[in-house]
Amino acid sequence: EDQVTQSPEALRLQEGESSSLNCSYTVSGLRGLFWYRQDPGKGPEFLFTLYSAGEEKEKERLKATLTKKESFLHITAPKPEDSATYLCAVQGGNQAGTALIFGKGTTLSVSS
Amino acid sequence: DTGVSQDPRHKITKRGQNVTFRCDPISEHNRLYWYRQTLGQGPEFLTYFQNEAQLEKSRLLSDRFSAERPKGSFSTLEIQRTEQGDSAMYLCASSLKGLGSTDTQYFGPGTRLTVL
Repeated sequence: EDQVTQSPEALRLQEGESSSLNCSYTVSGLRGLFWYRQDPGKGPEFLFTLYSAGEEKEKERLKATLTKKESFLHITAPKPEDSATYLCAVQGGNQAGTALIFGKGTTLSVSS
Repeated sequence: DTGVSQDPRHKITKRGQNVTFRCDPISEHNRLYWYRQTLGQGPEFLTYFQNEAQLEKSRLLSDRFSAERPKGSFSTLEIQRTEQGDSAMYLCASSLKGLGSTDTQYFGPGTRLTVL
């Protein structure tokens, strides 16, 4: 069964304190791994898609990396506006369609 | 704004009532998805359409739930005889799947359902 586990559940950082969020996955035939940002009461906002091990994507202070078993979202010198829940999702080959399997998310709080 | 839109944003209903939600996808996106999200959890897949055809349904989608996408444009999700366990955020997403394109799903703001 396809599964996604994110850690930690919550992370508190000081402004400028870099860190990483982890997404471990089990999937048959990875077709894509996705990172989303979700603010309270809103829908997920797309950040990155990664397709194969070794791939990296960057956007402002965020960098996503992918191995065969996990993905990391690195946050460099975070600012308070980076506070949100970060969701990881996979799309697997077993799915007849295109359903995304999500983890529970990591809630990031950045204080100034 | 050309993003995914959902209506209403909030719905409060009494147990046993029927409710219907609407989703308007990004223009020209051929795939449309419905997910459900409860507090502290990630979104869970309910169903998806490619154009007007409903191609996949999750086991979470009980017979009280029905979804349609007439003419392959907007979609509606109806819940009949609502139960307190139906209280959740209902999210709609859309994507453009074609030769050489990625299948990235873009989400709407969601409809928050509260069943009293």
